Amino acid sequence: GESVGLHLPTLSVQEGDNSIINCAYSNSASDYFIWYKQESGKGPQFIIDIRSNMDKRQGQRVTVLLNKTVKHLSLQIAATQPGDSAVYFCAETINQAGTALIFGKGTTLSVSS
Amino acid sequence: NAGVMQNPRHLVRRRGQEARLRCSPMKGHSHVYWYRQLPEEGLKFMVYLQKENIIDESGMPKERFSAEFPKEGPSILRIQQVVRGDSAAYFCASSAQGASYTFGSGTRLTVV
Repeated sequence: GESVGLHLPTLSVQEGDNSIINCAYSNSASDYFIWYKQESGKGPQFIIDIRSNMDKRQGQRVTVLLNKTVKHLSLQIAATQPGDSAVYFCAETINQAGTALIFGKGTTLSVSS
Repeated sequence: NAGVMQNPRHLVRRRGQEARLRCSPMKGHSHVYWYRQLPEEGLKFMVYLQKENIIDESGMPKERFSAEFPKEGPSILRIQQVVRGDSAAYFCASSAQGASYTFGSGTRLTVV
């Protein structure tokens, strides 16, 4: 189940700050995790993924951390920009089995100038 | 590569009518997934299909909803006798085996 207090439904930051968005996933058998960004009126957009044999993966301005012990995933956004304002979802799946993505609760990130 | 194409983008139906939502996966993708999103909520899994087969429909309501992915043509999500509670955004995603998922822009269904 989800860790109480870990997930924040909203996060407000100033432009240039670093943002950290947390997610607790539910299935210990999940081996593939994805972060999506969803802007208003649009579909989820892939940001970064990570497989269970890793605990950290970096992209451009984004880093995903995976802690399998406590089933916790986080997304770090460096130097947050107004264009980063959106809802962010984590998703999990058992990739090799071809099972469907299961989405976590979203976090609305608001970036002010 | 046109990505995952969904149509229509917006669909308005009166209560009791049928709604048909279409999804054309990315070229080379043989796995299609349908999700529903209610306002202010996350995406809820409905059904997972491969060509001509339903693999997992555990998220589909037992009545009025059906999905298909024929050998030729797009995947179709069909909702019969729509009710106001069916109003939502319906998203389709596609993938190749073992690869990441790509979502379409969704169909926003409004039942009046």
